[in-house]
Amino acid sequence: TQLLEQSPQFLSIQEGENLTVYCNSSSVFSSLQWYRQEPGEGPVLLVTVVTGGEVKKLKRLTFQFGDARKDSSLHITAAQPGDTGLYLCAETTGTASKLTFGTGTRLQVTL
Amino acid sequence: ETGVTQSPTHLIKTRGQQVTLRCSSQSGHNTVSWYQQALGQGPQFIFQYYREEENGRGNFPPRFSGLQFPNYSSELNVNALELDDSALYLCASSWAGTAYGYTFGSGTRLTVV
Repeated sequence: TQLLEQSPQFLSIQEGENLTVYCNSSSVFSSLQWYRQEPGEGPVLLVTVVTGGEVKKLKRLTFQFGDARKDSSLHITAAQPGDTGLYLCAETTGTASKLTFGTGTRLQVTL
Repeated sequence: ETGVTQSPTHLIKTRGQQVTLRCSSQSGHNTVSWYQQALGQGPQFIFQYYREEENGRGNFPPRFSGLQFPNYSSELNVNALELDDSALYLCASSWAGTAYGYTFGSGTRLTVV
């Protein structure tokens, strides 16, 4: 069973700061998804990355997929309180019928 | 376009009881997957239903069972509840038996006492 480790586990920053969270695996990802989950809600898909070295941008969020497809990062520029939540990376299995989620990074952005 | 709807939102059950959770999939989706999310953890895959058949199962005991109906809605049943079953149960719908393009519901918070 592939293990996805995310770091850091917790992050508390002030509005306007930049941050990066990481997702690492012992094996090669087939594809990787990033989700944000707010309290009392289900995860919401932010992005899917498929190709090694791929970089995708979503407003102030930048997602990178490692060249070897064993790691990924999410960088947030000028964080806002609305970015607060649990950030989860998830890998689709070879059959693509399920997701294996990482341990999550809980982000708190304060004014 | 309607999203994924789960019911009930919260539930308290006693150890040993049985529970049924319900999920209505997003319009146009024919696949439903169930996940268990313990406090402070990422969701864990329970099973997936595609065209009314189980299409993959995670590492959960047989007392976790499910159904999918012709309208693609789904139920998750848990028998002989244990304290460790306390968690947020998430339903996600998608298309064609894959995990791509998941739309998650808001979940059912189950507490077993």
